[in-house]
Amino acid sequence: QVQLQESGPGLVKPSETLSLTCSVSGYSITNGYYWGWMRQPPGKGLEWIGYVYHSGSTAYNPSLKSRVTISVDTSENQFSLKLNSVTAADTAVYYCGRDEGYFDYWGKGTLVTVSS
Amino acid sequence: EVVLTQSPGTLSLSPGERATLSCRASQRVGSNYLAWYQQKPGQAPRVLFYGAATRATGIPDRLSGSGSGTDFTLTISRLEPEDFAVYYCQQYGSLPWTFGQGTNVEI
Repeated sequence: QVQLQESGPGLVKPSETLSLTCSVSGYSITNGYYWGWMRQPPGKGLEWIGYVYHSGSTAYNPSLKSRVTISVDTSENQFSLKLNSVTAADTAVYYCGRDEGYFDYWGKGTLVTVSS
Repeated sequence: EVVLTQSPGTLSLSPGERATLSCRASQRVGSNYLAWYQQKPGQAPRVLFYGAATRATGIPDRLSGSGSGTDFTLTISRLEPEDFAVYYCQQYGSLPWTFGQGTNVEI
């Protein structure tokens, strides 16, 4: 059974960098698939942030591309999200998931609040 | 990017009734790569259908997905109590992947 778990600070100051890690169990990232990040502001809809392949190739949402980096660590079977220069608009629940285009496995999500 | 518009925003129904949810795309969705998700409060979304009409593992057959091109539909033939939730469509025919704004199915 594939399981994903997000981890990272729940509070980030404005203008700083949001950093999250997604640990994958039950499946080796090197076996394939893309691995992605999504977010959902409180009470709002879902937004795709981007994905990474085990080779390190990436794709990002153009709306966030200038601030986002997604990377993979195959030795730890995990992948990471960095979003810099955050503002209150980046407050959201952040989800990681297995990206087949659609998402068949999701983490439980982690709330990140941007506030001083 | 492909903009997805879901309607209605809210659907107020009773158990046993039929629910019809619509998802319209601003341009043709390549290869009908359209997925539907169900999300309950405090939970991650769960995939229901992909490829517009392929049921995901464990999804009951009272739910069905249909459509092609720019118009897609999720139908729940007889609402069960566990079906009251928010439903999202998502296209993955062209980057960036995009989601609709959601339909809330409430009692």
